[in-house]
Amino acid sequence: RKEVEQDPGPFNVPEGATVAFNCTYSNSASQSFFWYRQDCRKEPKLLMSVYSSGNEDGRFTAQLNRASQYISLLIRDSKLSDSATYLCVVLSNSNYQLIWGAGTKLIIKP
Amino acid sequence: NAGVTQTPKFQVLKTGQSMTLQCAQDMNHNSMYWYRQDPGMGLRLIYYSASEGTTDKGEVPNGYNVSRLNKREFSLRLESAAPSQTSVYFCASSERSVGTGELFFGEGSRLTVL
Repeated sequence: RKEVEQDPGPFNVPEGATVAFNCTYSNSASQSFFWYRQDCRKEPKLLMSVYSSGNEDGRFTAQLNRASQYISLLIRDSKLSDSATYLCVVLSNSNYQLIWGAGTKLIIKP
Repeated sequence: NAGVTQTPKFQVLKTGQSMTLQCAQDMNHNSMYWYRQDPGMGLRLIYYSASEGTTDKGEVPNGYNVSRLNKREFSLRLESAAPSQTSVYFCASSERSVGTGELFFGEGSRLTVL
């Protein structure tokens, strides 16, 4: 089992819709979680951290479910510019390095 | 607004050739990293440098060497390239040494080994 798993997609979503995707992690002791965004053939960029209480930044909401060991990302009122691959990242408790999911591809259609 | 700069952006090598990927950051960050990204897989850490003068192996260090030349620069060397090293390589930096999720990436270097 991969340490961090994501549905690769693609998720095809009409502009203006709400979309959500999850990421599961295997190490129940993991403490820190992040979402990165990666545009096609570009570098990853930090989108937001995921706190135990959840985190909201404009149209984006990230939540953590420790009992089921997953984090989620919700995008409301999706824009064409939201089209990208979203990478789930978990901080390893053993060596304090980041473990990366393979990403979920999101395509927003007009 | 340079941030993290990687060179070259593209490179084609023949099996057995060597090359060095260069990386420089102008944010006065302590830590620097080299990752590789392959289709269908998450980013994998090759080597990292928590601070100037130190380097450590990551998840996939075999076939690579690194040098933290100074606080700004962190290079990755392939001594004898193999087709399995065809990948996109990203250099990244962070202000904190460990336990941080905030990394700043370069634009990537696309390497093809024939």
